Amino acid sequence: DTAVSQTPKYLVTQMGNDKSIKCEQNLGHDTMYWYKQDSKKFLKIMFSYNNKELIINETVPNRFSPKSPDKAHLNLHINSLELGDSAVYFCASSHHSDTGELFFGEGSRLTVL
Amino acid sequence: DAKTTQPNSMESNEEEPVHLPCNHSTISGTDYIHWYRQLPSQGPEYVIHGLTSNVNNRMASLAIAEDRKSSTLILHRATLRDAAVYYCIPAGGTSYGKLTFGQGTILTVHP
Repeated sequence: DTAVSQTPKYLVTQMGNDKSIKCEQNLGHDTMYWYKQDSKKFLKIMFSYNNKELIINETVPNRFSPKSPDKAHLNLHINSLELGDSAVYFCASSHHSDTGELFFGEGSRLTVL
Repeated sequence: DAKTTQPNSMESNEEEPVHLPCNHSTISGTDYIHWYRQLPSQGPEYVIHGLTSNVNNRMASLAIAEDRKSSTLILHRATLRDAAVYYCIPAGGTSYGKLTFGQGTILTVHP
């Protein structure tokens, strides 16, 4: 029974396409996050939502749009995909926004050709 | 964000203790020190965190220097499953979730 689950796990697509990655957590947490891990393995936060409200929005192109239909879900939609978007995207959740204990999903590897 | 310095890599033998150091000399007074690890092809996993006092949990112990400019993650008996990249992350205030991951330390455990 996976705590933070992401779909799809792998995604291969062409430049210019639009794609979405879905994330769900069954931990009853209030806060959810999207992190990006690039080819050099650096992990950087992209967005954070607390009770469906955006609280962290790092310098991310506006082609990336997170959507939180309820506090258990945080989806990431990416428009007009570029080669540089190829990365592993991790969803995470935490009990509240002021805790340092995050639970991460297994990641979604996006490859843009 | 406080800068951290960790060894690029360390090695250990199975069932031996491992001490993973981290320097965070620019840490702010309200930052907690978090440790995460990332096993191959998996998402990061929370290990432990602390503010000033040493902390223990079922996974590890965290020893924090009195001046808080450095800390050490202690794995008491390394197993093959502990082979991972270990990240030391100072973070606090209202942005705990905004964790800044550095390069971390690649821990190799030999049987």
